[in-house]
Amino acid sequence: ETGVTQTPRHLVMGMTNKKSLKCEQHLGHNAMYWYKQSAKKPLELMFVYNFKEQTENNSVPSRFSPECPNSSHLFLHLHTLQPEDSALYLCASSPHGGATGNLFFGSGTQLSVL
Amino acid sequence: GIQVEQSPPDLILQEGANSTLRCNFSDSVNNLQWFHQNPWGQLINLFYIPSGTKQNGRLSATTVATERYSLLYISSSQTTDSGVYFCAGGANNLFFGTGTRLTVIP
Repeated sequence: ETGVTQTPRHLVMGMTNKKSLKCEQHLGHNAMYWYKQSAKKPLELMFVYNFKEQTENNSVPSRFSPECPNSSHLFLHLHTLQPEDSALYLCASSPHGGATGNLFFGSGTQLSVL
Repeated sequence: GIQVEQSPPDLILQEGANSTLRCNFSDSVNNLQWFHQNPWGQLINLFYIPSGTKQNGRLSATTVATERYSLLYISSSQTTDSGVYFCAGGANNLFFGTGTRLTVIP
């Protein structure tokens, strides 16, 4: 148990569906992240929030829409995804942003887009 | 971004053997971490080690920041050590390598 909880663990969706991934951290951290892990590729940083403010959007397509209502919760809203978006989506948190602290990951959501 | 190269990409060990995993960075980093991803996808933070040496049980890590590399040592390997080991480093954000897939056989 890392203190970062992601739901759902698995998600299958069609290209016309709208779904959301949820992440919650119980560590008192101020920074939260979304990463994408595809087969044979390094983890890709998607979004960074520091004190609820988005500080990084790593050229992610607009069909992925993040939301950070407070420092403990992070969402990733999905709509009109493509099959190549199938991947493991990982949420992480750290005490503060700027790559200066330990990163703690959730268990991830395995997403399949049909 | 920073390029992170890990070696070897794959490693098979007999239980009880020792191993060294390496991570090279294309530029200086002020944050460097090692992670273990188990077969169920969970990434566990092993070490936060921007410089120096740390040990935790059978695992230890050394980072030589001036030469932009880090080493992870696994001693007396066990089957539960199997999985993928990632290093990540950066200045403002962490960049990950493609990992070393370790398989420990009984």
